[in-house]
Amino acid sequence: ETGVTQTPRHLVMGMTNKKSLKCEQHLGHNAMYWYKQSAKKPLELMFVYSLEERVENNSVPSRFSPECPNSSHLFLHLHTLQPEDSALYLCASSQDPGRNTEAFFGQGTRLTVV
Amino acid sequence: GDSVTQMEGPVTLSEEAFLTINCTYTATGYPSLFWYVQYPGEGLQLLLKATKADDKGSNKGFEATYRKETTSFHLEKGSVQVSDSAVYFCALQYYGNNRLAFGKGNQVVVIP
Repeated sequence: ETGVTQTPRHLVMGMTNKKSLKCEQHLGHNAMYWYKQSAKKPLELMFVYSLEERVENNSVPSRFSPECPNSSHLFLHLHTLQPEDSALYLCASSQDPGRNTEAFFGQGTRLTVV
Repeated sequence: GDSVTQMEGPVTLSEEAFLTINCTYTATGYPSLFWYVQYPGEGLQLLLKATKADDKGSNKGFEATYRKETTSFHLEKGSVQVSDSAVYFCALQYYGNNRLAFGKGNQVVVIP
């Protein structure tokens, strides 16, 4: 248990569906992240939120829409995804900012787009 | 830009063997360096870290030394166990910056 909880653990969705991934942390951190982990590729940073404001969006397609309503919760809203979006989506949190800030990861949501 | 390179391919070895996973980095400054481990079905966990040149990070029998002259942070363990089977990721992070840059990861399989 790392203190970062992601739900659901597994999700299968059609290309026309709308779904949301949820991430919750109770570590008192004020930075949260979404990463995409695809087979045989480095982890890709998608979004960074610091103090509930989005501070980074790494050219992620608009079919992925993040939301951070408070410092403990982070959502990733999904719509009209493509099969190549199938991956493990990892949420992480850390203290912001500073050196030696360890990132704590959730267990991830395994997403399959059919 | 800043990047991390890990050796290609999975690593398969027998229990009690010596493990080395190579990691080199490209950076314009002086990042902190990390090794994360991902056990099957889990998210990433911090294994060890080093924040400046010549620092040695260690945890659970694993060690890695921050080598500025060779821009490397190789992971080693003297005697692996089956429970060490996992994917290992090398990463770098700058002071005051939230971003971690990860390598591709190495699958390690330890056979009894």
